[in-house]
Amino acid sequence: ETGVTQTPRHLVMGMTNKKSLKCEQHLGHNAMYWYKQSAKKPLELMFVYNFKEQTENNSVPSRFSPECPNSSHLFLHLHTLQPEDSALYLCASRAGDRNEQYFGPGTRLTVT
Amino acid sequence: RKEVEQDPGPFNVPEGATVAFNCTYSNSASQSFFWYRQDCRKEPKLLMSVYSSGNEDGRFTAQLNRASQYISLLIRDSKLSDSATYLCVVTGTDRDDKIIFGKGTRLHILP
Repeated sequence: ETGVTQTPRHLVMGMTNKKSLKCEQHLGHNAMYWYKQSAKKPLELMFVYNFKEQTENNSVPSRFSPECPNSSHLFLHLHTLQPEDSALYLCASRAGDRNEQYFGPGTRLTVT
Repeated sequence: RKEVEQDPGPFNVPEGATVAFNCTYSNSASQSFFWYRQDCRKEPKLLMSVYSSGNEDGRFTAQLNRASQYISLLIRDSKLSDSATYLCVVTGTDRDDKIIFGKGTRLHILP
């Protein structure tokens, strides 16, 4: 399935690095989401964008910075992360008139 | 009461058996309901939407009880490949962007 793609699939970074996660959806949806899923924990909503406008920031630390240049692309810029930020970062998209979300395969991030 | 609550399990069920999960939600004005499936170290995938009249897709049946504010998922003739975590998802009111995931119920189908 290639409806929602994410790159890279795996990322190892040091605490002083700056990196970006990319998400692209090919479904014509207009809402996009970032989630964090730590080991053996439920999904945590981080950010929501609707028609490129951020509509929700779920008290996420400023070391995570989202960017949505258009309805098809979503980025998550990372800087000065902590080891506890190691997790699976999932992107999802949703059509405006429906509530089903479709997820990308995720980026497995390890902060050393 | 938590917004969306599920029994975390695990449910250990022999192959071929029938298993049912429930999920309760706190907001009576919630609009839409879904079951997702998540395999280990993979992304959640939509399993089925849940309609007021109940719906069936092969071995899977989903039901919604608005009065008691719960949804259910029934799996008949369970297969080894059904082993996964099943996530209950509830959306907010007035088509807002809030989509609430339960913590999931782990299912192990035993050979």
